[in-house]
Amino acid sequence: EVQLVEFGGGLVQPGGSLTLSCEASGFAFSGRRMNWVRQAPGKGLEWVSHISRESGIRYADSVKGRFTISRDNAKNSLFLQMDSLRVEDTAVYYCASELETTYHAFDIWGQGTMLTVSS
Amino acid sequence: EIVLTQSPATLSLSPGERATLSCRASQSIDNYLIWYQQKSGQAPSLLIYDASSRATGIPARFSGSGSGTDFTLTISSLEPEDFAVYYCQQRRSWPLTFGGGTKVEIK
Repeated sequence: EVQLVEFGGGLVQPGGSLTLSCEASGFAFSGRRMNWVRQAPGKGLEWVSHISRESGIRYADSVKGRFTISRDNAKNSLFLQMDSLRVEDTAVYYCASELETTYHAFDIWGQGTMLTVSS
Repeated sequence: EIVLTQSPATLSLSPGERATLSCRASQSIDNYLIWYQQKSGQAPSLLIYDASSRATGIPARFSGSGSGTDFTLTISSLEPEDFAVYYCQQRRSWPLTFGGGTKVEIK
C-alpha cells in the first residue's frame, strides 16, 4: 500500500523547537520530490517547504530561517526541523509527494500530524 | 507571490446538480493549475492537474478547464461523496500557493 505517515507533532511553547518525521512505504521514495504543507485549524492549505530528489530545497517566506527540511532516502524518511516556533505555526502538518511526471502536484499525502504552539 | 482567489466561498447544491467552481490567479500561470478535494477530517486528495488532466482514478464527472488567469472545476452531477472543500493550487512559480477553498455543501 502506498502510504505516508507523519510523526512528531505535539504541544510546544513559543520559541521552542520540534522535529516532524514522515515515513514512506509502498513506493520508491528516493525518486520522489517531497513537500510539507500545513493547515491551521479551520483554515486553508499553506505550502511550507520542498525538497527535490537531489536535495534542492525551497521554503515559504513565513518559515525561512526557522524551519529545515531534510530527507534520508535509505530510511524512506522526510523530516522538518522547526525552531523559534510561533503561535501562528499551529497547524496540521502534512507531508506530500509530487507526481513523478508533473512537478509540484501532490498525489500522495499523509494523514497529518498536529502541532500546537502555545504557552 | 501569485495569489489565487476562489469563488464562491460556499456552494449549496443538491445531489445530481452541476457544480461550477472558480479559481482566479493574480497573474498568468499558463495551465499550471491543480485542484484538490478535502473531505472533513481527511488529507487533501489530487483531482486535476495542469488545469484539465484528471488524476488516476478520478471519475469523469470531474473536469477542469481554463488557462492564463481563469480556471474552472466542474462536477457534472454531484454524488453524495462529492460534498467537500475544494482547493486550487498553482505550480507556475515559487512559492507554491493555494486558493482559499470552496466548500460544496448539501442544500
